[in-house]
Amino acid sequence: AQSVTQPDIHITVSEGASLELRCNYSYGATPYLFWYVQSPGQGLQLLLKYFSGDTLVQGIKGFEAEFKRSQSSFNLRKPSVHWSDAAEYFCAVGAAGGGADGLTFGKGTHLIIQP
Amino acid sequence: ETGVTQTPRHLVMGMTNKKSLKCEQHLGHNAMYWYKQSAKKPLELMFVYNFKEQTENNSVPSRFSPECPNSSHLFLHLHTLQPEDSALYLCASSQQGGDSSYNEQFFGPGTRLTVL
Repeated sequence: AQSVTQPDIHITVSEGASLELRCNYSYGATPYLFWYVQSPGQGLQLLLKYFSGDTLVQGIKGFEAEFKRSQSSFNLRKPSVHWSDAAEYFCAVGAAGGGADGLTFGKGTHLIIQP
Repeated sequence: ETGVTQTPRHLVMGMTNKKSLKCEQHLGHNAMYWYKQSAKKPLELMFVYNFKEQTENNSVPSRFSPECPNSSHLFLHLHTLQPEDSALYLCASSQQGGDSSYNEQFFGPGTRLTVL
């Protein structure tokens, strides 16, 4: 069965500093990987996704993520965080091959931005 | 309305009540999903509908009953719930098929359910 691990429950970063959120997945075949962000009282917004090709993917709001098959990781990065980036971040894996399959999510990482 | 909408945004109900959650997608998608988001637990997939047919039921208790009358609307009927069912219920939709081998899911804002 597929699974996603986000080892950091909370991360605190100073505004303007760089950010890396960790995500490890377990999946038997080629995974489709996603990062979503959730602000308080809101639904989930897709930041970026990886299906195939270039292992470094660019997303919205200045985020990027790198797929490393050898480490089963898909870490999210941003070179300089803004106070508005404070939110909950979820990594998710979807089954390859298409079809209306649901996603398997990690428990999320709560990002706190210090002024 | 745009995207995925959910009503009501907040719901408080007793254990003997019957209520329904509504989801509507304005994106022309053909697949819809219900997820449950509890405190300190990952988002859990509950149901999947593809072209109005239920294709997945993740061992959800029968006190949750989904309904998908058409590809734009999805309901979650609730009856005799337990306090541990209190959570944020998220609806999502996606467009399956075509050239893309996997299509992203778009989420609604959720319904915050409290069971007393």
